[in-house]
Amino acid sequence: GIQVEQSPPDLILQEGANSTLRCNFSDSVNNLQWFHQNPWGQLINLFYIPSGTKQNGRLSATTVATERYSLLYISSSQTTDSGVYFCAVNSGNTPLVFGKGTRLSVIA
Amino acid sequence: DSGVTQTPKHLITATGQRVTLRCSPRSGDLSVYWYQQSLDQGLQFLIQYYNGEERAKGNILERFSAQQFPDLHSELNLSSLELGDSALYFCASSVSGQTLNEQFFGPGTRLTVL
Repeated sequence: GIQVEQSPPDLILQEGANSTLRCNFSDSVNNLQWFHQNPWGQLINLFYIPSGTKQNGRLSATTVATERYSLLYISSSQTTDSGVYFCAVNSGNTPLVFGKGTRLSVIA
Repeated sequence: DSGVTQTPKHLITATGQRVTLRCSPRSGDLSVYWYQQSLDQGLQFLIQYYNGEERAKGNILERFSAQQFPDLHSELNLSSLELGDSALYFCASSVSGQTLNEQFFGPGTRLTVL
């Protein structure tokens, strides 16, 4: 099945810094989603982005489907951005496959 | 708030017991998905229902079963519980049965088996 790799696995930032999280996938996809899992365990939809670029406030994402990767940009990070960021993809009729996540800690 | 609701939020039970987790999808969504998040296995797809019918099956144990009712809410039944079943169980919904549709996740049910 499709493989999803996220990097880096862990990231520690000072408040106000910018960061880029990466998601590589092994096959063509028809669904790619980014999620933020907050410290209370809730999974929050960030982007539905099988291709192209989207922005939402301080967050933006780009998926280059032909090269099989997606990037999540976080600018001017805040302590509330802490948590785990997941990329999830599917190919054909397969269910969503999640990466192992990037654990982000933003320090004041 | 995604619009997907799950009850209960927390559940503590003993080995060998049976529990039922409940999910209501977003208004208008016909598909419901169940996922398990454990420390060692990460987030894994269990099963999908679309408009009352089973659509896809993932790594779901035989001790686990699910159904989707005519009002589109879904229940996940876990029986003969083992310590290793302790996990966060998520329900998600999407507008149709196609996997390319965006999925929206509920807040999860945290199951602890003692």
